[in-house]
Amino acid sequence: DSGVTQTPKHLITATGQRVTLRCSPRSGDLSVYWYQQSLDQGLQFLIQYYNGEERAKGNILERFSAQQFPDLHSELNLSSLELGDSALYFCASSVGGAKRQYGYTFGSGTRLTVV
Amino acid sequence: DAKTTQPNSMESNEEEPVHLPCNHSTISGTDYIHWYRQLPSQGPEYVIHGLTSNVNNRMASLAIAEDRKSSTLILHRATLRDAAVYYCIPKRCIIQGAQKLVFGQGTRLTINP
Repeated sequence: DSGVTQTPKHLITATGQRVTLRCSPRSGDLSVYWYQQSLDQGLQFLIQYYNGEERAKGNILERFSAQQFPDLHSELNLSSLELGDSALYFCASSVGGAKRQYGYTFGSGTRLTVV
Repeated sequence: DAKTTQPNSMESNEEEPVHLPCNHSTISGTDYIHWYRQLPSQGPEYVIHGLTSNVNNRMASLAIAEDRKSSTLILHRATLRDAAVYYCIPKRCIIQGAQKLVFGQGTRLTINP
């Protein structure tokens, strides 16, 4: 157990639907990152939050959105789902807010299958 | 973001040392060099990081070239559990909010029994 909890582990849904993926960061970590991993694209950075505020955006589609709540857990919302959105979605957390370097901790991911 | 070049794949034998190279010739002076690995069906896992000096921890050693344009991750005695994709990631240090990790294609390491 890495300390980063992602739910659900697996999700199967139909095209056009909307889903929410949840991430609880490791205790004490303020930054949360979302990544998408598909077979042909590798690990792609989507978005980062730090202490409730959006800090960086990567290749995140407009159909996707995220937020980080006061208790620091984060949710990634995927809407109008397409077959190509099928992928593994990882959440990571880090301490952030300090000059010292730390490793980032990843969750075990949510496998999304769009049919 | 600094670009990295790693071999697509490498193969080694169990209980032998493994040296995984990474070129990062565009690295800036304030970028740390992080290494992560991803075992099959798992999320990435932090291995080690360094700035200028060589670093050791319980998982591996990191040797950084004097000009910092390359580094080598060293697994001293590979086991079957070390079979994974290894990513070398230059990462800037910023004060607030931390810096995202940008993953390249990595090196797929195969360990033969």
